[in-house]
Amino acid sequence: EAEVAQSPRYKITEKSQAVAFWCDPISGHATLYWYRQILGQGPELLVQFQDESVVDDSQLPKDRFSAERLKGVDSTLKIQPAELGDSAMYLCASSPTGTQYEQYFGPGTRLTVT
Amino acid sequence: GQQLNQSPQSMFIQEGEDVSMNCTSSSIFNTWLWYKQDPGEGPVLLIALYKAGELTSNGRLTAQFGITRKDSFLNISASIPSDVGIYFCAGFLNFGNEKLTFGTGTRLTIIP
Repeated sequence: EAEVAQSPRYKITEKSQAVAFWCDPISGHATLYWYRQILGQGPELLVQFQDESVVDDSQLPKDRFSAERLKGVDSTLKIQPAELGDSAMYLCASSPTGTQYEQYFGPGTRLTVT
Repeated sequence: GQQLNQSPQSMFIQEGEDVSMNCTSSSIFNTWLWYKQDPGEGPVLLIALYKAGELTSNGRLTAQFGITRKDSFLNISASIPSDVGIYFCAGFLNFGNEKLTFGTGTRLTIIP
């Protein structure tokens, strides 16, 4: 069964350092999402891509976060500089072409900022 | 922003018991999704609901899209140990608003 791949699974970094996460969506899924999930809460959308274009980045803290999906396939989310409050699970999801109503999530990257 | 309130927040049940949880909002949602999340993993889609009143099953799981479109329910019959986890409801507010809003989660624990 096709799955969303993410790496790394765990990342520990010191504050003020740069960190990057990678996501490979399910093959053929045109829409890709990055979510942040704070412990004990549901995921919250950071950015949504349709192919290589950003559809919604209204909740992305653009002073320190950036996201790209250059060829419309895999994607990278970067934080620079990392802050203590960025400690969270970063989840990538994708949905089939033609519908955003079923989103399939990857295993996530657990980020700890010290 | 919009909130989906789930209840109960946590449940402690014995294996074999049936489970019921719900999700409510003050706003109308046009699509409801139910996810299960294991510790340290991403949410897994269980059931998707698209029409008011719709009742959909996936094995021992049954979910319903409330008639008012402001709520949804998930039932698990004859619980087993692998049902342990956090269950999230999620929904889309309006046609054209394609941001998925997640609930606060219900944590299910099975007592041996």
